[in-house]
Amino acid sequence: SYDLTQPPSVSVSPGQTATITCSGDNLEAKFVAWYLQKPGQSPALVIYERSKRPSGIPERFSGSMSDNTATLTIRETQPMDEAHYHCQTWDDSKVFFGGGTRLTVL
Amino acid sequence: EVQLVESGGDLVQPGGSLKISCTAAGFNFVNSWMHWVRQAPGKGLIWVARINSEGTFTTFADWVNGRFTISRDNAKNSLYLHMSSLRVEDTALYYCAREETADWCIGDWGQGTLVTVSS
Repeated sequence: SYDLTQPPSVSVSPGQTATITCSGDNLEAKFVAWYLQKPGQSPALVIYERSKRPSGIPERFSGSMSDNTATLTIRETQPMDEAHYHCQTWDDSKVFFGGGTRLTVL
Repeated sequence: EVQLVESGGDLVQPGGSLKISCTAAGFNFVNSWMHWVRQAPGKGLIWVARINSEGTFTTFADWVNGRFTISRDNAKNSLYLHMSSLRVEDTALYYCAREETADWCIGDWGQGTLVTVSS
């Protein structure tokens, strides 16, 4: 088994920068992806391979890694960014998700 | 446009079995590795299983403990999850998902099918 730790909730004011962390043992050696999930909707990929953005994802979304902690940064946060964010990695050919972080924009 | 449509979710008694399905369209299913991921109400995402494009290699989360089987029928563009010895804690929305193999992530998700285990 492999554990990914995320804060349960993060709050940010509109227009400010939101940071959501995801930590795990030796995470720096692994691929990390981030997904957002709005209420009643399926998850959607926003970052893969730690820092790459799929087409259609705004440049405001970025990913980084340091000291076994992956970070999702959302600049100029908008009310539409309010969602749950889940980090994901691989270990021994198995997939693991963090517990998810609820981002509140207020 | 990628489409993943799950079906077969139902109310099942503890100890029972159920097979859920996923029909794929809009992409090259026969070359895609596929996953099942579940989400209990109000909870986070939990990975269940993965299958390679040919259906010859499967991996499961440790907690599955041999209770579930993942399979596929490439001629029907379909993915399956057969679940047995179901427990109340298996109650969840089960998502079918397509892997972006070269990018080590899940690129597309279905809308999910609800499995409820209750007496």
